[in-house]
Amino acid sequence: EMQLVESGGGLVQPGGSLRLSCAASGFTFRSYEMTWVRQAPGKGLEWVSYISHTGSTIHYADSVKGRVTISRDNAKNSLYLQMNNLRVEDTALYYCARFTKFWSAEYYHYGMDVWGQGTTVTVSS
Amino acid sequence: EMVLTQSPGTLSLSPGERATLSCRASQSVRSSDLAWYQHKPGQAPRLLIYGASSRATGVPDRFSGSGSGTDFTLTISRLEPEDFAVFYCQQYGTSPYIFGQGTNLEIK
Repeated sequence: EMQLVESGGGLVQPGGSLRLSCAASGFTFRSYEMTWVRQAPGKGLEWVSYISHTGSTIHYADSVKGRVTISRDNAKNSLYLQMNNLRVEDTALYYCARFTKFWSAEYYHYGMDVWGQGTTVTVSS
Repeated sequence: EMVLTQSPGTLSLSPGERATLSCRASQSVRSSDLAWYQHKPGQAPRLLIYGASSRATGVPDRFSGSGSGTDFTLTISRLEPEDFAVFYCQQYGTSPYIFGQGTNLEIK
């Protein structure tokens, strides 16, 4: 069974740091691009970051750029999100998701087809 | 930066009815690089549609996606009780891979 399990969330003061982890199993992790998505309380989904399967290409949402670093360890089947200088508005449930490429005859498309259950980050004094 | 606007914000329908959800982009979405997700409380989001119109594995054929350019639609032909949830569109053609604000599909 394909599975993603997030960990590392918790309560942190503004300005603090956290490192989120996402452990993958049931599929060949190194072959897939990965993303982080979050949902603040009472709000919608917000895309946070993307990393290619080798880690050579990375993207961030403007809301976290300069404060967050995405990385992966393919030998450990793990994805990470290092979060620094945390703000109250970073309070959210953080999901990792597999960003799968779907091929067709002429083109390819993407979709987040495997998700974890999320880890909660609370930033409060 | 692109903005995705979903409408309506809330849609109240009964089981058996047809649901039509809209997603409008502030600029053209490259190569129909648009996906739809269903999200129920306490669960992880679920991929429904990718490439604007291709159903993901295991998604019932009552779900269909259409559109191109700046206007996209998710249609649920005949609502089942388990379909009620929040639905999001997302573009992945160009970073940032933003989501729309969501449409809450609720039971009338």
